Amino acid sequence: ILNVEQSPQSLHVQEGDSTNFTCSFPSSNFYALHWYRWETAKSPEALFVMTLNGDEKKKGRISATLNTKEGYSYLYIKGSQPEDSATYLCASFNTNAGKSTFGDGTTLTVKP
Amino acid sequence: GAGVSQSPSNKVTEKGKDVELRCDPISGHTALYWYRQRLGQGLEFLIYFQGNSAPDKSGLPSDRFSAERTGESVSTLTIQRTQQEDSAVYLCASSLAAGGNLYEQYFGPGTRLTVT
Repeated sequence: ILNVEQSPQSLHVQEGDSTNFTCSFPSSNFYALHWYRWETAKSPEALFVMTLNGDEKKKGRISATLNTKEGYSYLYIKGSQPEDSATYLCASFNTNAGKSTFGDGTTLTVKP
Repeated sequence: GAGVSQSPSNKVTEKGKDVELRCDPISGHTALYWYRQRLGQGLEFLIYFQGNSAPDKSGLPSDRFSAERTGESVSTLTIQRTQQEDSAVYLCASSLAAGGNLYEQYFGPGTRLTVT
């Protein structure tokens, strides 16, 4: 049974701070990891799809790294802005199929 | 272009009634997923469809839940004899294919189901 854990559960930072949070997943039978951003009253939106050990992806001020051997991924936000406030979800795939396991998310609040 | 749409956006029903939730995926997306999020909990996988292959129903919580998909288009999730614990936001997502290594999922706005 896959168990995907995210930490911390919630995070409050000041505008301009850089921050990071973690997604841990079983490293056996790893296939892919997705990161999504979910703003209140909106739909989850894809940030990154990651597959290779050592992969690093970047989109604007947000970046993510992947370590498939030890089973973790970090999401970094540089210079947080209030519009970054959202819940960040990761989802792990352990086969080349559609079923994934989502973590419970890290809820980020950026104070102006 | 058009994204994933779901209807209704909100549904209040009495315990014991049946409900049907609808999802219209993005045109051309062969994979379709249903999830739910109960209050205070994470996203829970329910079922996914990939083209004409048999759906993966392994996440359906009980035999009161069923889902159908017509070809590569609309899907309906049916909950029979609803219970209060079925209250949740039901999210639908679609992707170009079910291969998790390449294709991100595009989510609809969800249906908020409240069972009284």
